Amino acid sequence: DTAVSQTPKYLVTQMGNDKSIKCEQNLGHDTMYWYKQDSKKFLKIMFSYNNKELIINETVPNRFSPKSPDKAHLNLHINSLELGDSAVYFCASSQIVGLRTDTQYFGPGTRLTVL
Amino acid sequence: RKEVEQDPGPFNVPEGATVAFNCTYSNSASQSFFWYRQDCRKEPKLLMSVYSSGNEDGRFTAQLNRASQYISLLIRDSKLSDSATYLCVGNTGNQFYFGTGTSLTVIP
Repeated sequence: DTAVSQTPKYLVTQMGNDKSIKCEQNLGHDTMYWYKQDSKKFLKIMFSYNNKELIINETVPNRFSPKSPDKAHLNLHINSLELGDSAVYFCASSQIVGLRTDTQYFGPGTRLTVL
Repeated sequence: RKEVEQDPGPFNVPEGATVAFNCTYSNSASQSFFWYRQDCRKEPKLLMSVYSSGNEDGRFTAQLNRASQYISLLIRDSKLSDSATYLCVGNTGNQFYFGTGTSLTVIP
């Protein structure tokens, strides 16, 4: 069974469009994340949700809006797509164990290309 | 200064060689550390967790030095299948800080 799944796997769209990426985890984890990995391969945190509540919001344009309908889902909506948004977007989840956050598990990634 | 820093490489080593990667972190409050492996066009996958001084799993050994704030990964008897990018990760609370990754190519 897939632990963290994302759809779509590939997304090619025109500049100015609005698109969404969906993420679901079946691990029962409380915390979910969105990361962006650009062409230089650097993995950068965008958002983190714990039990449907936003806990981390890095310096990300307002055009990016995460939504967590329940703790198993964290979707990412992007308005007015720009060329610089082209990247691979990874969803991840983890669980707090005691005082420590345990390992993150990553989804397969969504490769977004903005033309 | 980045929270976690690694030498990006690339490291090109012959099959059977031993290779070591180092990673430094700036936040002394970081509680745990991880090494992830990322293959081209794939998601990062956990290789090893490092909670105390070190961890060993087969050919892989990770060590943590809190006094000097660095983590290392040693790969013995390198295989062709070890070719990948290795990401060093520090964890502070709910936040995970990724290094830029070290590229390894094992050559036949």
